[in-house]
Amino acid sequence: ETAVFQTPNYHVTQVGNEVSFNCKQTLGHDTMYWYKQDSKKLLKIMFSYNNKQLIVNETVPRRFSPQSSDKAHLNLRIKSVEPEDSAVYLCASRVWGSQDTQYFGPGTRLLVL
Amino acid sequence: GDSVTQTEGLVTLTEGLPVMLNCTYQTIYSNPFLFWYVQHLNESPRLLLKSFTDNKRTEHQGFHATLHKSSSSFHLQKSSAQLSDSALYYCAPSSSGSWQLIFGSGTQLTVMP
Repeated sequence: ETAVFQTPNYHVTQVGNEVSFNCKQTLGHDTMYWYKQDSKKLLKIMFSYNNKQLIVNETVPRRFSPQSSDKAHLNLRIKSVEPEDSAVYLCASRVWGSQDTQYFGPGTRLLVL
Repeated sequence: GDSVTQTEGLVTLTEGLPVMLNCTYQTIYSNPFLFWYVQHLNESPRLLLKSFTDNKRTEHQGFHATLHKSSSSFHLQKSSAQLSDSALYYCAPSSSGSWQLIFGSGTQLTVMP
């Protein structure tokens, strides 16, 4: 049963354009993440949010900017896309404690031409 | 910082043979948590199993792993591989003091009939 939703599923754009991705979780978790999964399937964290506050901002280019309106929503904007931004962007929600688990959304596949 | 090393690349097995995917980690935290996530084709990663306790075997869906802090290992095993086990497997350490999981590079398991 899907509880982390992402839109769009797939996006094709050209170098220099701006794109935005949306993520919503209905699990009531406080912590959400953005990951980038590249063509080699490497899964790298980009941003961590707790209750709509940025906690961890890994070294990502400045053209990436996350935004959270409330703890259930986490968006990602890329100001001027570049070819190396082509990847799958995965949103995740996390429950802590003994049930510690990350729940991933279906991902947004970005192709930059 | 934290790091993790997995069995590299691709592991190909014949159905019915045992599975062992290696995972060793380095962490600055004295009380690490270890996770295995599995990602099937065209799906997003999901939790397979986890452990917070040293030298205690944890099992789920036929897979098992034991966290050994003395050797910093959390190898994933299964006694008999099934075709449906074909997937990408990620090992990831974390701790109660860390906001993020550091995912390994992933091991692609392919089970042949």
